[in-house]
Amino acid sequence: DSGVTQTPKHLITATGQRVTLRCSPRSGDLSVYWYQQSLDQGLQFLIHYYNGEERAKGNILERFSAQQFPDLHSELNLSSLELGDSALYFCASSGKAGMTYEQYFGPGTRLTVT
Amino acid sequence: LAKTTQPISMDSYEGQEVNITCSHNNIATNDYITWYQQFPSQGPRFIIQGYKTKVTNEVASLFIPADRKSSTLSLPRVSLSDTAVYYCLVGDGVGGTASKLTFGTGTRLQVML
Repeated sequence: DSGVTQTPKHLITATGQRVTLRCSPRSGDLSVYWYQQSLDQGLQFLIHYYNGEERAKGNILERFSAQQFPDLHSELNLSSLELGDSALYFCASSGKAGMTYEQYFGPGTRLTVT
Repeated sequence: LAKTTQPISMDSYEGQEVNITCSHNNIATNDYITWYQQFPSQGPRFIIQGYKTKVTNEVASLFIPADRKSSTLSLPRVSLSDTAVYYCLVGDGVGGTASKLTFGTGTRLQVML
């Protein structure tokens, strides 16, 4: 158990819908990272927040957005969903902003768009 | 933005040493190299991290040549439980337009008796 929690575990929705994925980092961790894992694209970095502020953006679509709240939990919002958005979404947390600290990954949310 | 490539799969026998290489030709000065292990239906788990030369911990070693364009994860005396997918991750994650985190394509290691 990494100490990172993600909800829901599974999510099934239809094209065009909007969903929110939630992540609670390990206690005391200020950084939250979001990743998407699909069969054809592999593991892709989406976005990084540190203590409530966006720090870096990766291959995140404009239809996707995220935020980190004062209590440090984070939400990833996916809108106008397409079939290709079906994937595993992981969040990870670390104690600091930089890569010199290992990231602890949550169990993931499996999103299925039908 | 570092583009990272790895062999798709490798087979080994229990007790052997396994070396998995990651190629990252466009690595930036501030980028670190981190290796993760992933079992099916689980999130990746940290193995080791380095910047240059050699790093060793209780489970693995990481070799990074002087030009840093590649790195090699070395797993000594693998067991069946090491069967997993191994990813390298390159980046600094600090922030800014130059800061990206790029996962390798992943190497599926199958350990056999």
